Amino acid sequence: EVQLVESGGGLVQPGGSLRLSCVASGFKFTNNWMSWVRQAPGKGLKWVANIKPDETQKFFADSVRGRFTISRDNAKNSLYLQMNNLRAEDTAVYYCARDNGWHTYDFWGQGTLVTVSS
Amino acid sequence: QSALTQPPSASGSPGQSVAISCTGTNSDVGGYNYVSWYQQHPGKAPKLMIYEVNKRPSGVPDRFSGSKSGNTASLTVSGLQAEDEADYYCNSYAGSNNVVFGGGTKLTVL
Repeated sequence: EVQLVESGGGLVQPGGSLRLSCVASGFKFTNNWMSWVRQAPGKGLKWVANIKPDETQKFFADSVRGRFTISRDNAKNSLYLQMNNLRAEDTAVYYCARDNGWHTYDFWGQGTLVTVSS
Repeated sequence: QSALTQPPSASGSPGQSVAISCTGTNSDVGGYNYVSWYQQHPGKAPKLMIYEVNKRPSGVPDRFSGSKSGNTASLTVSGLQAEDEADYYCNSYAGSNNVVFGGGTKLTVL
């Protein structure tokens, strides 16, 4: 059974940093692109970033480029999102999702809530 | 890229069919056969229902079907059931590793 479990969310002040983690199981993590997708309270889904299996390619939405970094540790079946210089508009539930490389997300984690507020 | 356009709401009675549209441009929906649909119940993670316009993942009932004509994709739910009441989102590959999502449609089963 495919499982994706996120952690690391919480309350952070504007300008602060947070690191999200996602542990994968039930599939060959090293073969798959992975994405982070977020959902602001009461709003729709927005893609944040994705990463190729060998980490040679990483892509970001315009709204987070230069502030967020995506990485993975294939030995630990883990995906990460380092979020710096956080803004109020980054407040959202962050989901990690398996990505087929064409932005089809076939499995999702349960999400972790990030709240940016003073 | 601008978001894909979905109707904010749709509804139908149990047993009926309902179609939800997702309109983009020839740079996304019209240019690629990588349109997906996701179902999201309140407080839950999204679930993939349709991918590559009209393919169903294992375990998704065949009451759910997808299609595309030009720059508009559609999700049709036939034989509506109470558990189909949820938010539905479309997304499309938009080239150069870009993606656009629709704003979501709240499906109500009357």
